[in-house]
Amino acid sequence: NAGVTQTPKFRVLKTGQSMTLLCAQDMNHEYMYWYRQDPGMGLRLIHYSVGEGTTAKGEVPDGYNVSRLKKQNFLLGLESAAPSQTSVYFCASSYSGLAGGKETQYFGPGTRLLVL
Amino acid sequence: GQNIDQPTEMTATEGAIVQINCTYQTSGFNGLFWYQQHAGEAPTFLSYNVLDGLEEKGRFSSFLSRSKGYSYLLLKELQMKDSASYLCAVKRLGSYIPTFGRGTSLIVHP
Repeated sequence: NAGVTQTPKFRVLKTGQSMTLLCAQDMNHEYMYWYRQDPGMGLRLIHYSVGEGTTAKGEVPDGYNVSRLKKQNFLLGLESAAPSQTSVYFCASSYSGLAGGKETQYFGPGTRLLVL
Repeated sequence: GQNIDQPTEMTATEGAIVQINCTYQTSGFNGLFWYQQHAGEAPTFLSYNVLDGLEEKGRFSSFLSRSKGYSYLLLKELQMKDSASYLCAVKRLGSYIPTFGRGTSLIVHP
């Protein structure tokens, strides 16, 4: 099993350009998440999905869109990149989010994005 | 909402013991996670506490006191490879998504 994979690993964009980050998991997890991590800020949730065809906003959703057309894939889109979106993006997945469950999250290796 | 506090940085000596604290305020507690994250890598799961007490797993132990809104991660027999960030994450009752603290950067020196 590859676990959680992310594509690309690193990308440089110019302000106003668009791009899509791809997350794939082969663990048959229902829940998938996109986080951004900035120095001193910890992990902040951008969007998440509780199953194929569903998405929801997290803590910092502005400037991003997501899609979950297949259970194993979760895409994060930047329509018009801004320097404030320079960050490390982590995708994660878990079996489910049932309250009371252990449900650890499994993280991908991250995508480092630089917006000039 | 939730408020999670961890020290920003700690240093310790190889072979020693270090305790990393995490305090939280939440409306309805439903579990606390500890993750380890080496520089440039993804977070990896260390421990999960939902009931009061100490959970031991090799050199690492995690403690929880729900009444005090307090947890700590105890690392024994420190090794250089333990230099990393340690993330505390709290799950609230009724929510299936944990909220992360800002993490504690641990530096282990010889």
